Amino acid sequence: GQQVMQIPQYQHVQEGEDFTTYCNSSTTLSNIQWYKQRPGGHPVFLIQLVKSGEVKKQKRLTFQFGEAKKNSSLHITATQTTDVGTYFCAGRANAGGTSYGKLTFGQGTILTVHP
Amino acid sequence: ETGVTQTPRHLVMGMTNKKSLKCEQHLGHNAMYWYKQSAKKPLELMFVYNFKEQTENNSVPSRFSPECPNSSHLFLHLHTLQPEDSALYLCASSQVSGGYNEQFFGPGTRLTVL
Repeated sequence: GQQVMQIPQYQHVQEGEDFTTYCNSSTTLSNIQWYKQRPGGHPVFLIQLVKSGEVKKQKRLTFQFGEAKKNSSLHITATQTTDVGTYFCAGRANAGGTSYGKLTFGQGTILTVHP
Repeated sequence: ETGVTQTPRHLVMGMTNKKSLKCEQHLGHNAMYWYKQSAKKPLELMFVYNFKEQTENNSVPSRFSPECPNSSHLFLHLHTLQPEDSALYLCASSQVSGGYNEQFFGPGTRLTVL
């Protein structure tokens, strides 16, 4: 079945440093989503990427979708303590299968930011 | 608030107990999901319901029994659980149309099996 691998598992940074997490799928994806889960909270949707090579920005966050639609990255510029949490990617298989609507989540990257 | 509520928020049960988790979504979505989140593991999809019909059962043990009486409510019935079933159980909903299915998660039920 579809697998989504995410690295690194943990990332510790000083406030102000940049952070990147990478996501790789074993199969070509229809789209990829990113979620953030604060400590003690639940996953919250950040963004969805659909097109090959797509790049989207949300303030200090930059999301990229690979040309082959099998990998993605999330980059945070100048991290702040409010960025602390676990960042998950979630890939959706191509439509037409029996898993319409199903997302496969990566393991997540736990980000800690030291002030 | 995400518009998805879950009760109870915390549950402690013995291995012989029977309990149920409840999820309700107020977003008008047509799909609902149960996920299990254990420490140091990725989110594990358990069940998917599209338009009240179960469309996914990811090899979940029969001690977990889902129920979806309508598109707004989802239950997870628990019986004779094992300690390794202790985890955060998350419910989510989405509108499955046109391939765009952002999922809205509830706050979760923290389950402890003694």
